[in-house]
Amino acid sequence: GNSVTQMEGPVTLSEEAFLTINCTYTATGYPSLFWYVQYPGEGLQLLLKATKADDKGSNKGFEATYRKETTSFHLEKGSVQVSDSAVYFCALRKGVGAGSYQLTFGKGTKLSVIP
Amino acid sequence: DSGVTQTPKHLITATGQRVTLRCSPRSGDLSVYWYQQSLDQGLQFLIQYYNGEERAKGNILERFSAQQFPDLHSELNLSSLELGDSALYFCASSVVASGGLQETQYFGPGTRLLVL
Repeated sequence: GNSVTQMEGPVTLSEEAFLTINCTYTATGYPSLFWYVQYPGEGLQLLLKATKADDKGSNKGFEATYRKETTSFHLEKGSVQVSDSAVYFCALRKGVGAGSYQLTFGKGTKLSVIP
Repeated sequence: DSGVTQTPKHLITATGQRVTLRCSPRSGDLSVYWYQQSLDQGLQFLIQYYNGEERAKGNILERFSAQQFPDLHSELNLSSLELGDSALYFCASSVVASGGLQETQYFGPGTRLLVL
């Protein structure tokens, strides 16, 4: 079945440091890939997405590239801020077709950015 | 604010009881999804409804059921509650049901259920 593996947290970085959160997936067919962010006490917000191989999703300085050859979708940001402290979830959705509606999530990575 | 609302925000109840969680999707969205977030299982898909009909089922226990009403709001019913049902329950909505490439799911703030 489908699965998502992301790096264990928590991750603690100083402000302006470079961020990488690794995410790899197992899926049949051609999944769409997502990063969601959960700020304390809030629901999940879509951060970025990519729907086909070599697509790069980007938003708020975060980027992730859909790499089919390595089945990966690593999240990166060049310079993190304290306001980026949150839990980040990598997720996949199978390609278009029956049974493709639900998201399969990784376990989440908690990021803390200190001033 | 995603536009998806969930009530109540918190719920504390006892084992064996039954509770109902409510979700109102974003205006115009026809699909509603329910997810459970627990410490041991992470975020898991439970069930999806589209325009009043069940569309997909995930790891939903037989003690749990859901429905979507004509006004498109949805309710998740949890019965014979056990300690292990304590979790954060999220509702999400999207415009379509087909899982098309442009489909995005928008999440509500969640209902935190504590079973004592």
